[in-house]
Amino acid sequence: AQSVTQPDIHITVSEGASLELRCNYSYGATPYLFWYVQSPGQGLQLLLKYFSGDTLVQGIKGFEAEFKRSQSSFNLRKPSVHWSDAAEYFCAVDTFTGTASKLTFGTGTRLQVTL
Amino acid sequence: KAGVTQTPRYLIKTRGQQVTLSCSPISGHRSVSWYQQTPGQGLQFLFEYFSETQRNKGNFPGRFSGRQFSNSRSEMNVSTLELGDSALYLCASSIEGRVEETQYFGPGTRLLVL
Repeated sequence: AQSVTQPDIHITVSEGASLELRCNYSYGATPYLFWYVQSPGQGLQLLLKYFSGDTLVQGIKGFEAEFKRSQSSFNLRKPSVHWSDAAEYFCAVDTFTGTASKLTFGTGTRLQVTL
Repeated sequence: KAGVTQTPRYLIKTRGQQVTLSCSPISGHRSVSWYQQTPGQGLQFLFEYFSETQRNKGNFPGRFSGRQFSNSRSEMNVSTLELGDSALYLCASSIEGRVEETQYFGPGTRLLVL
């Protein structure tokens, strides 16, 4: 079965420090991978997505992610975190059924930013 | 262009009641998906509609149902509410629901079952 694992439930970083959020997936076919962010009381916003091609994907708000097939990973990175990045981050894989897209999410990583 | 809107934003119901939630997709989007978010189970896919047809369904009991109208607006209904149905219900829209499309999420409806 398709699944996504985010090993870190909660991460705290200092403003200006670098960030890496881990994501591992289990999916038989070529994965379509996503990172979403959710601020308190808000819906989900897409940060970036990977379908094929270049394994380093650039997203919004200065985020990037690297797809590593050999490690079944799709880790999210940001070189310098801002206080406004505090939120919950979700990695997802699209388990396309042939008729419709369907996202399977990880359990999320809550990011806290200290000043 | 207006984003995905969901109504109501907050709802309190008691066990045994039923509830209907509404989702209006972005103009021009014909695919609407619903997700349930709880602290214990995380984000789980409920179902997806396209052109008034349910194309995909998650592992939820039959108490959870939905429909889509000709203007692409969608509703989901939960009958015989249980305490465990307390959750944030999110809907997302995309143009045709294809995997390469971005799904845009609404702010959600927070349901509390007492």
